[in-house]
Amino acid sequence: DGGITQSPKYLFRKEGQNVTLSCEQNLNHDAMYWYRQDPGQGLRLIYYSQIVNDFQKGDIAEGYSVSREKKESFPLTVTSAQKNPTAFYLCASSKGGPSRGYTFGSGTRLTVV
Amino acid sequence: AQRVTQPEKLLSVFKGAPVELKCNYSYSGSPELFWYVQYSRQRLQLLLRHISRESIKGFTADLNKGETSFHLKKPFAQEEDSAMYYCALSGEYGNKLVFGAGTILRVKS
Repeated sequence: DGGITQSPKYLFRKEGQNVTLSCEQNLNHDAMYWYRQDPGQGLRLIYYSQIVNDFQKGDIAEGYSVSREKKESFPLTVTSAQKNPTAFYLCASSKGGPSRGYTFGSGTRLTVV
Repeated sequence: AQRVTQPEKLLSVFKGAPVELKCNYSYSGSPELFWYVQYSRQRLQLLLRHISRESIKGFTADLNKGETSFHLKKPFAQEEDSAMYYCALSGEYGNKLVFGAGTILRVKS
């Protein structure tokens, strides 16, 4: 059953800690994306990757880092430098680009405690 | 710069009434426009694309380049249409989507 899987579903982080959100897809999609979803602000692009070993910053990349060592995987690290990390994080993938539509994961809700 | 504006946070209509969810965009080139929908407890999913000129679940959207708009319309709302709707834009190089803030559609019986 093809799809895109995000884990964990809920994540709690203490101040000053780095945490990594997982995103895995078995759709053979080339491109992968990380968005942050906040009430009233919609989805804002954090990072995206069009091919393995290459990625670009989105609109709100500060305080985040990513890697793309495998086509199937695009983990997002929320670092201690991110001032307001509490949010809902969505991962998406697409075959070649947005024109064919994104497939979204079910999301990870990160809370700083 | 690419920008998508959805002026309404919430749109509430009665079942059977017409629906229009507004979307305006800012982009100097030739955009591709999309509508995505998120039903309760489901994943965000593609509803329709302007290039396909299709009708999905009774919804249509026409790209108006003069008014830089891509409003989503349905002649008769159904309760199952209640969801969060996002308008999104892809620029000429087509490597990412920019989303609007979203509009919650609530269809009352």
